[in-house]
Amino acid sequence: GENVEQHPSTLSVQEGDSAVIKCTYSDSASNYFPWYKQELGKRPQLIIDIRSNVGEKKDQRIAVTLNKTAKHFSLHITETQPEDSAVYFCAASIGDNYGQNFVFGPGTRLSVLP
Amino acid sequence: DVKVTQSSRYLVKRTGEKVFLECVQDMDHENMFWYRQDPGLGLRLIYFSYDVKMKEKGDIPEGYSVSREKKERFSLILESASTNQTSMYLCASSSPGRGRDGYTFGSGTRLTVV
Repeated sequence: GENVEQHPSTLSVQEGDSAVIKCTYSDSASNYFPWYKQELGKRPQLIIDIRSNVGEKKDQRIAVTLNKTAKHFSLHITETQPEDSAVYFCAASIGDNYGQNFVFGPGTRLSVLP
Repeated sequence: DVKVTQSSRYLVKRTGEKVFLECVQDMDHENMFWYRQDPGLGLRLIYFSYDVKMKEKGDIPEGYSVSREKKERFSLILESASTNQTSMYLCASSSPGRGRDGYTFGSGTRLTVV
């Protein structure tokens, strides 16, 4: 079955610097990769997603890249701000079912230091 | 705005009690999911449902059961609560093909079994 690894488990950056979180997946049939942000005490929220027919997607300060050959995808946050501090989860769809079911990575706790 | 509502934010139950966790979504989503979230382990799937009266086991179904009698409601049942079921429980719903394919999560129920 699908297995998703995520690194690093914790990440501290200075405000204004960039942050990168990397995930790898095992099932080559996976075709949809969402990223979730979970602030302390709150529900996970979808922040960006990418489908397997696209190599990169950007939304303001957030971008996601996908390398299907290597089976890894990354979240890039530029010009980090204190409100970016949260736990970030990557996920990969199981098989080729968009949004039917996912395997989540273990999460990365990002701290943005003022 | 999609809403997924979990009936309780915090619950404290005794070992051996039967526990019901309720989840209701108001967006006519076909898919509903129950996850538990534990530090360092990320989000692990307990059960999911693609339709009314339909259920499928996830990765860690032992000690749990579910019920989906109506499309909008998905209940998680702990038949005989144990201390190792102390965790944060998250419900999610999705509807692939209608806009974004990611999940919408509820706010979570933090269950403590004593």
